Amino acid sequence: QSVLTQPPSVSGAPGQRVTISCTGSSSNIGAGYDVHWYQQLPGTAPKLLIYGNSNRPSGVPDRFSGSKSGTSASLAITGLQAEDEADYYCQSYDSSLSGRFYVFGTGTKVTVL
Amino acid sequence: EVQLLESGGGLVQPGGSLRLSCAASGFTFSSYAMSWVRQAPGKGLEWVSAISGSGGSTYYADSVKGRFTISRDNSKNTLYLQMNSLRAEDTAVYYCAKSQPYCSGGSCYSVAWGQGTLVTVSS
Repeated sequence: QSVLTQPPSVSGAPGQRVTISCTGSSSNIGAGYDVHWYQQLPGTAPKLLIYGNSNRPSGVPDRFSGSKSGTSASLAITGLQAEDEADYYCQSYDSSLSGRFYVFGTGTKVTVL
Repeated sequence: EVQLLESGGGLVQPGGSLRLSCAASGFTFSSYAMSWVRQAPGKGLEWVSAISGSGGSTYYADSVKGRFTISRDNSKNTLYLQMNSLRAEDTAVYYCAKSQPYCSGGSCYSVAWGQGTLVTVSS
């Protein structure tokens, strides 16, 4: 069971802006650990989309942006395009009494209407 | 170009064992931490295990601790995952992933992924 919660799905028309939340707690995001985002197109392996809360790897369009505040993080997609239809996952690190480990969010399916 | 090619997946009975391999190329393998991440059919991503570049430090999710062993052979540019006492809930596509440079502590993320290998645990 993931400790990072995302909405199961979000949708938007082409050109619109959508946001995906990633809610954690004081043992992960709230403890200051960075949040990273991955995009998984249907039938393919995940791809790094955002690292270190708000940084885009080379080749990722600037339509994608990330932010972090308190115990949560967000991924925004502006100017939504058909090719953005995919699953999106946040990832961080969790350090608690039960141990230390990397964690993924529950995942969000983005549908372009 | 970074390439990661997993192999070793297949059908295994509950309680059985399997060893996954990930052949790496296109980068200095020994300089990077590596991870295994799995995805059960129709489900989300789950981090499984990670290993430092030297192989001296290993990390495991609670769900596999004591059953799975991660290792690497830097002379062969290959990452391994030895999976013992397999359960039905271990059924998933297993991805190997390369971390960013100077990955340490809780700062790691995966900059490159293989295409995955399917492990099915069933009688």
